[in-house]
Amino acid sequence: AQSVTQLDSHVSVSEGTPVLLRCNYSSSYSPSLFWYVQHPNKGLQLLLKYTSAATLVKGINGFEAEFKKSETSFHLTKPSAHMSDAAEYFCVVSDPYSSASKIIFGSGTRLSIRP
Amino acid sequence: DVKVTQSSRYLVKRTGEKVFLECVQDMDHENMFWYRQDPGLGLRLIYFSYDVKMKEKGDIPEGYSVSREKKERFSLILESASTNQTSMYLCASTLAGGFDTEAFFGQGTRLTVV
Repeated sequence: AQSVTQLDSHVSVSEGTPVLLRCNYSSSYSPSLFWYVQHPNKGLQLLLKYTSAATLVKGINGFEAEFKKSETSFHLTKPSAHMSDAAEYFCVVSDPYSSASKIIFGSGTRLSIRP
Repeated sequence: DVKVTQSSRYLVKRTGEKVFLECVQDMDHENMFWYRQDPGLGLRLIYFSYDVKMKEKGDIPEGYSVSREKKERFSLILESASTNQTSMYLCASTLAGGFDTEAFFGQGTRLTVV
């Protein structure tokens, strides 16, 4: 069975410092992995995705994530936080060969940025 | 540049009412989804549809039904609203081929059942 765990419900960093949002997954198959961002009162937007190509994936707004099969992790990072990064972030795992009911969302990590 | 539109941002309904949430996408996507979002629980799939008149249950279908009469429109129906259905509801769509493509989400409908 597939599952995804976001290890922190809330992360707070100072503007200009690095961001690390942690995600671990469990999947019987070679999964597809995604990060989505949700700004207040907005819909979800795709940040980046891993679909068995390069293990280091670059996304929008300077974010990137590295797929580590040995650690079953797909952590999201950014070298320098900006105030506009304050939002909720969701890690998503899916089996690309199954129906949509195999898509699993993490519980979300709220990122706060201190001035 | 609107891609997925949910008919209402905020709704307040009474217990026992029949509630319709509408979602329209303009990208000619085959797959459409309804999720509910609750604090600490992430997004949970209620129903999805992979073609007109086709639907499958997600993880939490109880108390809900759906309708897809046209490719661009996917409706979520609360047959008899209850207070535990107070939540944020999100609609999404993707191209055919599963979820290995970008999903586009509507802005959500915040439903309060009193």
